[in-house]
Amino acid sequence: RKEVEQDPGPFNVPEGATVAFNCTYSNSASQSFFWYRQDCRKEPKLLMSVYSSGNEDGRFTAQLNRASQYISLLIRDSKLSDSATYLCVVDTNSNSGYALNFGKGTSLLVTP
Amino acid sequence: NAGVTQTPKFQVLKTGQSMTLQCAQDMNHEYMSWYRQDPGMGLRLIHYSVGAGITDQGEVPNGYNVSRSTTEDFPLRLLSAAPSQTSVYFCASSYGATQPQHFGDGTRLSIL
Repeated sequence: RKEVEQDPGPFNVPEGATVAFNCTYSNSASQSFFWYRQDCRKEPKLLMSVYSSGNEDGRFTAQLNRASQYISLLIRDSKLSDSATYLCVVDTNSNSGYALNFGKGTSLLVTP
Repeated sequence: NAGVTQTPKFQVLKTGQSMTLQCAQDMNHEYMSWYRQDPGMGLRLIHYSVGAGITDQGEVPNGYNVSRSTTEDFPLRLLSAAPSQTSVYFCASSYGATQPQHFGDGTRLSIL
């Protein structure tokens, strides 16, 4: 099982729609979780951290389910500018020395 | 603030040539890392450093060397370029190994 898995999509949604992405992780000891956004041919940028109790930032809501080992990202009232690839990031929390594992990303296209 | 600065932004090399990708950060971050990103592969960790004078290998270290003589700089050296090293390279930094990472703009490298 890969350490961080995401549905690659693409998710095609109309403006104003609500869309949700899930990401599963394999290490039950992981403690740090993030969502990043990456625009085409640009660097990844931190969208939000994911906290145990769930957290919201404007139209974006992130949740963590430790029992099932997945995190989710909900985008409400989608905008054209939300079109991007969303990367799930989880810490490895192991003795290997690695720190953060990046998923391959979920592609979102918001259409007029 | 400059954040993480990578140079050059684009480079074309011939097989067998060597070169150094530069990375500098002005945020006093202890943790720095190099990733490569290839289509369908996501971000893969090449090397990382938890502080000046300390470096370690990531997932795909072969063919690359790094050094960390100062907190600010973390250059990546390609010893003898191969076509398989054609990729987009990102440098990132953070306060700690499991803290959110800040990325540079990337270096697009082509090996002919």
